[in-house]
Amino acid sequence: DTGVSQDPRHKITKRGQNVTFRCDPISEHNRLYWYRQTLGQGPEFLTYFQNEAQLEKSRLLSDRFSAERPKGSFSTLEIQRTEQGDSAMYLCASSLAGTGDEQFFGPGTRLTVL
Amino acid sequence: AQRVTQPEKLLSVFKGAPVELKCNYSYSGSPELFWYVQYSRQRLQLLLRHISRESIKGFTADLNKGETSFHLKKPFAQEEDSAMYYCALRAAAGGTSYGKLTFGQGTILTVHP
Repeated sequence: DTGVSQDPRHKITKRGQNVTFRCDPISEHNRLYWYRQTLGQGPEFLTYFQNEAQLEKSRLLSDRFSAERPKGSFSTLEIQRTEQGDSAMYLCASSLAGTGDEQFFGPGTRLTVL
Repeated sequence: AQRVTQPEKLLSVFKGAPVELKCNYSYSGSPELFWYVQYSRQRLQLLLRHISRESIKGFTADLNKGETSFHLKKPFAQEEDSAMYYCALRAAAGGTSYGKLTFGQGTILTVHP
């Protein structure tokens, strides 16, 4: 296990297109988080799952954003009808509840919307 | 609402000098505070957390609830400390919004030889 992985690492798309990102957490971790980071800012929380249940969603997560974790393992984040303002680094993190809950981050997916 | 402020975007020191990265927070409940670090071309990783009361790579941070601060300190900076540092807050276990981290904007630390 090499840690949290994300795919793709980079995505360039045209405005109006849909994109989907994948996150594979550390295998025994039951919590999974999505954050978004724009240039010059710290990561901003989007949503998190415990197993397959989505426990919290930020107001940043508009109707165009949806996240799933269908079997409590990997997760996908989909953005529909992308806008230029969606350009950012999308970070995934995972943790194991009850053990200090340290969040381990993936390398991120950099999205550029043209 | 949770808020973390790191007033310095950039901080430059010389090797061997003391360094202090400032972090102030706003949260009505009982928080957990963290420092994360991102070295060049690496992923974000946890440096230390206030409940551990550890010194990691020579860094320490003390939670001051009166001043709502969690400043990161190191008495003698090294060149390998050059990185982006983020202060982050999480509601304590059992509190509302437990789980999510709220990050500051980050401070880029550069340690010159």
